Amino acid sequence: GQNIDQPTEMTATEGAIVQINCTYQTSGFNGLFWYQQHAGEAPTFLSYNVLDGLEEKGRFSSFLSRSKGYSYLLLKELQMKDSASYLCAGNNAGNMLTFGGGTRLMVKP
Amino acid sequence: DGGITQSPKYLFRKEGQNVTLSCEQNLNHDAMYWYRQDPGQGLRLIYYSQIVNDFQKGDIAEGYSVSREKKESFPLTVTSAQKNPTAFYLCASRSGGASGELFFGEGSRLTVL
Repeated sequence: GQNIDQPTEMTATEGAIVQINCTYQTSGFNGLFWYQQHAGEAPTFLSYNVLDGLEEKGRFSSFLSRSKGYSYLLLKELQMKDSASYLCAGNNAGNMLTFGGGTRLMVKP
Repeated sequence: DGGITQSPKYLFRKEGQNVTLSCEQNLNHDAMYWYRQDPGQGLRLIYYSQIVNDFQKGDIAEGYSVSREKKESFPLTVTSAQKNPTAFYLCASRSGGASGELFFGEGSRLTVL
């Protein structure tokens, strides 16, 4: 099975940088996804990591350490519209995703 | 445009009634999924189908049923056996391979009166 843990809530200031952590325990790890979900809407894909290291996509970056079972999502130059929930999801050898509980990020002026 | 369409967006149900949520995709994806989301929670898998005419139970299948008669369609029925059906339901499809992302519909919010 899989177990995905991430903080429930975080608060940050507009223009700042925030790091959202995710730890996972999974049999047959086969990559890790991050999704963004605004309240009442569907999740949208942000990133996928399967190799160790940092993947950068504009203001958002995602990091993976397979040996530590750890990932983080880094959001730079925070904007008010970044207020949302961020979902970490582990992919296993059977190509099934397990989602964490999500981290609700509140960006304040 | 390719995508996933869920309907209805909002649904109210009386206790003891079955309701069916529609999910249609034109992405030509083999795999389709139904998730349930409760307030402030992550996504929990109800059922999934990796190919037409086949589907598997997820983590919380009790009180739900599905069918997959066509590649494009994966309807979910919430039966009266589901004790706490009020939730946000999300349908998704996925292309093959480990890196294939899930594409989600807009969701259906079911409220039991």
